[in-house]
Amino acid sequence: SQTIHQWPATLVQPVGSPLSLECTVEGTSNPNLYWYRQAAGRGLQLLFYSVGIGQISSEVPQNLSASRPQDRQFILSSKKLLLSDSGFYLCACHRTSGYPYEQYFGPGTRLTVT
Amino acid sequence: AQSVSQHNHHVILSEAASLELGCNYSYGGTVNLFWYVQYPGQHLQLLLKYFSGDPLVKGIKGFEAEFIKSKFSFNLRKPSVQWSDTAEYFCAVQGSGGYNKLIFGAGTRLAVHP
Repeated sequence: SQTIHQWPATLVQPVGSPLSLECTVEGTSNPNLYWYRQAAGRGLQLLFYSVGIGQISSEVPQNLSASRPQDRQFILSSKKLLLSDSGFYLCACHRTSGYPYEQYFGPGTRLTVT
Repeated sequence: AQSVSQHNHHVILSEAASLELGCNYSYGGTVNLFWYVQYPGQHLQLLLKYFSGDPLVKGIKGFEAEFIKSKFSFNLRKPSVQWSDTAEYFCAVQGSGGYNKLIFGAGTRLAVHP
């Protein structure tokens, strides 16, 4: 089964600084990959998804960007963080061969922008 | 627009009480439905899923959910909760094309007192 690694686990960054969060997946090839932000009382908001290397779709306009340089690597970035970027970021994947397509989640990164 | 509504944001129960968490969705088409659970300090994990067939599905740890198509509902139930069921529960809907992204509800925080 899939295993998702995320790092760092926690991060405190000042406003205006850059951001790079990394997600790597083991146990599957050519997965679909997702970045979510989880806010208390608001569930999980899908930020980006990717169906392949270099293919990124954005769900909401924001200060963040995503990239997929390798099949099982997904990166969330920002050039200049805003206070509103604080939150808990989750990476998820699902395999693309064989039904069903439930998503598996990583442990998350808690980002605090000060 | 696609959406998922979870009626209860916070639920407090005593051990051995019965549980029912409501979930309604809005989606124009055939859907796959999921309940995920996030125990304190742990990854988001799949509790149960519905794709087709018997609308009453059983998941891990004694949980079950019933899909009622006419009501656009997928309520989660457990006859007798335990302290270890304390967690946050998320309902999610996915278009049945398989690939389609998950739309999550806002979550329900369940606290079970011994």
